[in-house]
Amino acid sequence: QKEVEQDPGPLSVPEGAIVSLNCTYSNSAFQYFMWYRQYSRKGPELLMYTYSSGNKEDGRFTAQVDKSSKYISLFIRDSQPSDSATYLCAMMDPETSYDKVIFGPGTSLSVIP
Amino acid sequence: GAGVSQTPSNKVTEKGKYVELRCDPISGHTALYWYRQSLGQGPEFLIYFQGTGAADDSGLPNDRFFAVRPEGSVSTLKIQRTERGDSAVYLCASSLREGREAFFGQGTRLTVV
Repeated sequence: QKEVEQDPGPLSVPEGAIVSLNCTYSNSAFQYFMWYRQYSRKGPELLMYTYSSGNKEDGRFTAQVDKSSKYISLFIRDSQPSDSATYLCAMMDPETSYDKVIFGPGTSLSVIP
Repeated sequence: GAGVSQTPSNKVTEKGKYVELRCDPISGHTALYWYRQSLGQGPEFLIYFQGTGAADDSGLPNDRFFAVRPEGSVSTLKIQRTERGDSAVYLCASSLREGREAFFGQGTRLTVV
């Protein structure tokens, strides 16, 4: 079993839809959780960064962490064609180190105009 | 430039050859990371530099891989006796210091034929 699992998609939604992206993980020591967006042939860019359990909202994006279920989610409201990209969840165990971020395989999202 | 710069963008080499991949981090960023991303996968940690020293090289797959950062700025990832399985996108990221947001370059796409 991989440390971080993510449905690879592809996921295709109409413009304006609410998108739900999810990851599960096996290491209960993870405490920092991140979502990255990666456009084709570009490097990942950080979207959201949360610590421990709870919700965090930033504009159209909401990140949720449920440590008891080892499950994290990213919601995108009013999705736009410019949101079409691969979304990578990532997490880190600060007790081990602050440098080794473990990424999921990514979910490919297409938002159709 | 304002972002992390990686050169070359693409590199095609023959099996058994030696390659060097360069990373210019954001000015003033002391932490530098190398990741490898295979097709359909998330980035996989290779090595982390804090200043000039490799603080964590536990992700390097074998002794054919080596990285340096002699002056605490530019870093070079070196791969000896390349194999077809080394084909991937090699990503570099930098951050102001350990634990802060890491900014990724666009990557070097290495193809070993």
